[in-house]
Amino acid sequence: SQKIEQNSEALNIQEGKTATLTCNYTNYSPAYLQWYRQDPGRGPVFLLLIRENEKEKRKERLKVTFDTTLKQSLFHITASQPADSATYLCALDPGSSASKIIFGSGTRLSIRP
Amino acid sequence: DTGVSQNPRHKITKRGQNVTFRCDPISEHNRLYWYRQTLGQGPEFLTYFQNEAQLEKSRLLSDRFSAERPKGSFSTLEIQRTEQGDSAMYLCASSLEGSRYTEAFFGQGTRLTVV
Repeated sequence: SQKIEQNSEALNIQEGKTATLTCNYTNYSPAYLQWYRQDPGRGPVFLLLIRENEKEKRKERLKVTFDTTLKQSLFHITASQPADSATYLCALDPGSSASKIIFGSGTRLSIRP
Repeated sequence: DTGVSQNPRHKITKRGQNVTFRCDPISEHNRLYWYRQTLGQGPEFLTYFQNEAQLEKSRLLSDRFSAERPKGSFSTLEIQRTEQGDSAMYLCASSLEGSRYTEAFFGQGTRLTVV
């Protein structure tokens, strides 16, 4: 079956450390993968997109990697801050002719001062 | 504010009643998505439109759900004969599809509670 899996347990780390979130997918061949941030009671907000032919993408303190062999993406936040606390969602297109966007269940990140 | 507007923000209805939600996307966006989200889960795909054409509807969506996007502008999502299991956040998103690599902009969602 097709699945997008993210760590279901919340990730708690100390301020200033690097947070690393994992997204694994099964039976998809996405052309790209996206990461979104979602705060409680609000809609997701786009952060980064990485294409299948890209290994790594950076934006300020954010870094995303994409390994199509392992079928995995890693999302890093360096020098983490309490304001980075939120749920982070991985999303991809299924790779079929229909380019809808499918989401994982998200990982809740908590940064303690 | 992403520019995608959803109304109402909250809706409480009795079981068996019909409800309709509205989404106004970013004006130049040609693609519009509907998702449903429950607590602790990611957004679940319901359906999406390219302009006024509904391209796909999730197999998980019962016949009680219908969506329209007349003239390729705003969209409505109607749920008939609501059930308690329909209680969720309903999210709308839009994107500009010139290639397959564009991000989606989400509205704030409509929270539905069926009592």
